[in-house]
Amino acid sequence: DTEVTQTPKHLVMGMTNKKSLKCEQHMGHRAMYWYKQKAKKPPELMFVYSYEKLSINESVPSRFSPECPNSSLLNLHLHALQPEDSALYLCASSQAGTGMRTQYFGPGTRLLVL
Amino acid sequence: QQQVKQSPQSLIVQKGGISIINCAYENTAFDYFPWYQQFPGKGPALLIAIRPDVSEKKEGRFTISFNKSAKQFSLHIMDSQPGDSATYFCAAVDSNYQLIWGAGTKLIIKP
Repeated sequence: DTEVTQTPKHLVMGMTNKKSLKCEQHMGHRAMYWYKQKAKKPPELMFVYSYEKLSINESVPSRFSPECPNSSLLNLHLHALQPEDSALYLCASSQAGTGMRTQYFGPGTRLLVL
Repeated sequence: QQQVKQSPQSLIVQKGGISIINCAYENTAFDYFPWYQQFPGKGPALLIAIRPDVSEKKEGRFTISFNKSAKQFSLHIMDSQPGDSATYFCAAVDSNYQLIWGAGTKLIIKP
């Protein structure tokens, strides 16, 4: 299994809603990532988990809250988002350490904040 | 120093032609250079990657050429097909194993 899965595929939420994005991989990878991608731009790194511990937070606003319940799962909890947060949210995974050079991406969740 | 510059921004190639996308970097600490292919509405998919001690790597119709002294690398797609139409991102991996992305090239292959 070489797949990273993400749910939901699409999400529409109001600025007062609370929602969560989910990511799962069964490749035995011990590093997982959240990226944000705006149209016609490359992905921007948000968070990195290594061995289920948050290792990198790229100064992301607190309205985004990551969680790594176990080595296969990664969540992104959303609360009080702004319209400018509308984007494609990508999850990725990789081996830890030097294996982080090669990241495998999921299909993304298209988020629209109204 | 952390930038990767990618060109062109967009590219139109006839079916069967060669597509060439170029990238340049400044940071000599970068030690891995992957290319990602992204179709609309999908996540980026790793296409091919190269280490700086190798000058060329070929996988099927896709070839990376790497010039360490010039700090440049390029992706060549031979016999380009309409199914190759996508956005291509070059990237470099820094000392923290983070991906430093190029701006992307939208490739259109005309039938």
